[in-house]
Amino acid sequence: DAGVIQSPRHEVTEMGQEVTLRCKPISGHNSLFWYRQTMMRGLELLIYFNNNVPIDDSGMPEDRFSAKMPNASFSTLKIQPSEPRDSAVYFCASKREGYEQYFGPGTRLTVT
Amino acid sequence: AQTVTQSQPEMSVQEAETVTLSCTYDTSENNYYLFWYKQPPSRQMILVIRQEAYKQQNATENRFSVNFQKAAKSFSLKISDSQLGDTAMYFCAFMKRRSSNTGKLIFGQGTTLQVKP
Repeated sequence: DAGVIQSPRHEVTEMGQEVTLRCKPISGHNSLFWYRQTMMRGLELLIYFNNNVPIDDSGMPEDRFSAKMPNASFSTLKIQPSEPRDSAVYFCASKREGYEQYFGPGTRLTVT
Repeated sequence: AQTVTQSQPEMSVQEAETVTLSCTYDTSENNYYLFWYKQPPSRQMILVIRQEAYKQQNATENRFSVNFQKAAKSFSLKISDSQLGDTAMYFCAFMKRRSSNTGKLIFGQGTTLQVKP
């Protein structure tokens, strides 16, 4: 069974450009999470969905960030416009009922 | 609000020896879960071990075990017979049990562990 799939694995973009990160959760999982990892702030939860509905987006840093989950098998995290301080590793994780989250391999974003 | 603190930014251990990573947390909840995740250089986050707060028995998974002290709000990870593949960053994490349906995790800052040959 495939794990959580994220694309791209690496993204380099220039300041001001739009960036879209993609995630495919494990089939049958009904919760999806987006995290950001930086040296300064560690692992932060940005937003999570339950049954495709956003439950808590209080971790989204500002209006430049948006996330969608149009169906149970796909989610996007968009940054528009991107800034150098958005450089980080972005993780997607999914889970079904219960407590164990399964993480994707992450997307390393570099904004120059 | 819940907080998780890992006071050891870096640790090292000789191969085959035992090492203990510390974690403390703060919560007013009585029912919750605690986790240790491993992040090797590949970046993949891997669940190592979990502990339910209502269970007094410490969790064990092969060479990994925890020392859960609920009153002290302490949750340390012991790695026995350390192997080179254990080199990674280790994160302690907390989740309220009543939010287990959605699963919001609170992470500590992480401890980088290097296993030396």
